[in-house]
Amino acid sequence: ETGVTQSPTHLIKTRGQQVTLRCSSQSGHNTVSWYQQALGQGPQFIFQYYREEENGRGNFPPRFSGLQFPNYSSELNVNALELDDSALYLCASSGGDRGYGYTFGSGTRLTVV
Amino acid sequence: RKEVEQDPGPFNVPEGATVAFNCTYSNSASQSFFWYRQDCRKEPKLLMSVYSSGNEDGRFTAQLNRASQYISLLIRDSKLSDSATYLCVVRILTGGGNKLTFGTGTQLKVEL
Repeated sequence: ETGVTQSPTHLIKTRGQQVTLRCSSQSGHNTVSWYQQALGQGPQFIFQYYREEENGRGNFPPRFSGLQFPNYSSELNVNALELDDSALYLCASSGGDRGYGYTFGSGTRLTVV
Repeated sequence: RKEVEQDPGPFNVPEGATVAFNCTYSNSASQSFFWYRQDCRKEPKLLMSVYSSGNEDGRFTAQLNRASQYISLLIRDSKLSDSATYLCVVRILTGGGNKLTFGTGTQLKVEL
């Protein structure tokens, strides 16, 4: 059984650029959620996808968008990057629309300069 | 007010000590409760779920009080390897889905 894999592991971008982060869900999981963790803070919920549809969103602006694919993998896109977007971005997969049994990936560390 | 509040610590304790972490949550619609452990620069990993009846896993005991919206974690006979950040987490249903809401974490340092 494969776990959750995220790519890339580290990324440096310039303010104003766009970035795409990728996540492969754990085998058998059909729900993916994304979290942003700033230094010294707990992870903050960005949004969740279930069967390719967004079914929950946290307090993040529209420049944070996502996709889920038929194989349940997912992308997080962030446009017009700001310095405050520098954080660890975590993907978690789970089974069912209520998301039981979360498994987190090791994250993508994004630095915006 | 934050949805999940924890004392950030750090808690510096000697090896073998007993340490307790507390957490409060504000959303009475919270459905499930967890403690996660996060090592430096790593992803959070589930330590244990928390139930009103209390539950124990080896040296770790967790307790939930729904009436006071309070969650606790007790670590007995602490080991150097217990040094990490402990995140209090609640799961809240959100329309068709759900989300995990994390506290800021409590840092534990176990020393010789």
